[in-house]
Amino acid sequence: ETGVTQTPRHLVMGMTNKKSLKCEQHLGHNAMYWYKQSAKKPLELMFVYNFKEQTENNSVPSRFSPECPNSSHLFLHLHTLQPEDSALYLCASSQVTGELFFGEGSRLTVL
Amino acid sequence: GENVEQHPSTLSVQEGDSAVIKCTYSDSASNYFPWYKQELGKRPQLIIDIRSNVGEKKDQRIAVTLNKTAKHFSLHITETQPEDSAVYFCAASINSGYSTLTFGKGTMLLVSP
Repeated sequence: ETGVTQTPRHLVMGMTNKKSLKCEQHLGHNAMYWYKQSAKKPLELMFVYNFKEQTENNSVPSRFSPECPNSSHLFLHLHTLQPEDSALYLCASSQVTGELFFGEGSRLTVL
Repeated sequence: GENVEQHPSTLSVQEGDSAVIKCTYSDSASNYFPWYKQELGKRPQLIIDIRSNVGEKKDQRIAVTLNKTAKHFSLHITETQPEDSAVYFCAASINSGYSTLTFGKGTMLLVSP
């Protein structure tokens, strides 16, 4: 598998559930990102990891918890989400400077 | 922080026509301006980018222009084809060590046969 892969592609969860999104990159990149894509809104940067260290946290609610165990893997742990958190969550990776490579996204629906 | 405005939100053209999408940015320190294309149900993919040391860049049917004084940049697609139908996002960043882009809201381009 090459590029950036995300699992699951679709997830439906209740507000009391706990779930995780997974991202894996096979490009040898040093930086990984979580973006939120909602209808009619710009792509919103949530978290940035550079060499496994979190360098950006754009005021994201604590119900979203990222984890980056190594430079190839990134997780987004979800708990007690709200219906307005329903969106497409995109993972991306890049070299320290350069093009962002996105995954196909995880479509999250919160009931 | 940086703010990127993108217009129009929707653009419909006939096959063969040209399409132009415009973006403005607020931070004069921004110096890297990529454009991403996202087909329905697919991931965003970089199609072209420009840095502040050039005013125009072309790649076959697509071109991007940059006016640093006015803080705006545009995507031009000539001889549009149905497969150009997608959402296009502009973005701007200060290339300060790693890529943290501020995106526009996107333009849905519809090319009718």
